[in-house]
Amino acid sequence: DVKVTQSSRYLVKRTGEKVFLECVQDMDHENMFWYRQDPGLGLRLIYFSYDVKMKEKGDIPEGYSVSREKKERFSLILESASTNQTSMYLCASSLEGPSSYEQYFGPGTRLTVT
Amino acid sequence: KNEVEQSPQNLTAQEGEFITINCSYSVGISALHWLQQHPGGGIVSLFMLSSGKKKHGRLIATINIQEKHSSLHITASHPRDSAVYICAVRPLTGTASKLTFGTGTRLQVTL
Repeated sequence: DVKVTQSSRYLVKRTGEKVFLECVQDMDHENMFWYRQDPGLGLRLIYFSYDVKMKEKGDIPEGYSVSREKKERFSLILESASTNQTSMYLCASSLEGPSSYEQYFGPGTRLTVT
Repeated sequence: KNEVEQSPQNLTAQEGEFITINCSYSVGISALHWLQQHPGGGIVSLFMLSSGKKKHGRLIATINIQEKHSSLHITASHPRDSAVYICAVRPLTGTASKLTFGTGTRLQVTL
């Protein structure tokens, strides 16, 4: 059974703080994704990684960075949190290949920046 | 205009009703996914399809590639089906493995 875990379910941070969100998957998936989800906008891709140390910008990478030092772990970093980064953050993983594979999602982290 | 449009945005049904949620997309795709998100955030994949029809229990998903349209049907709906249903497509162009998501349909099933 695929499991994707995220380090926190709820997080409250102050403006300007550096924030780390961690995601771990246990199925040896090549691909890992970070999304944010906002009412009326759906899921939007921030960054994704297709291998260790490899990353690609998604649709809304501004204000974020990522790190993938090990295959199972993908971290999202907010260098200097701002109130407009208050959102639900979801991590996902999938296999890589020419076909489309199912994405497996973590439980989400609801981040509030005050 | 979003590449993936869902309708309706909100849906309320009584237990036992037959429910249809629609998804239209504007790009060529290799696959379409239906996802379910319960209150609290967790998202699970219900179906992945590239043609025809798939069935799992009371859920049925269909896709018409020529018309760029998919439907998710729930037969004999139950309050536990209350959730947000999300359609996502894998475009033929662009980076492999990336999905484009609709904004979701919020379903409430009452007794």
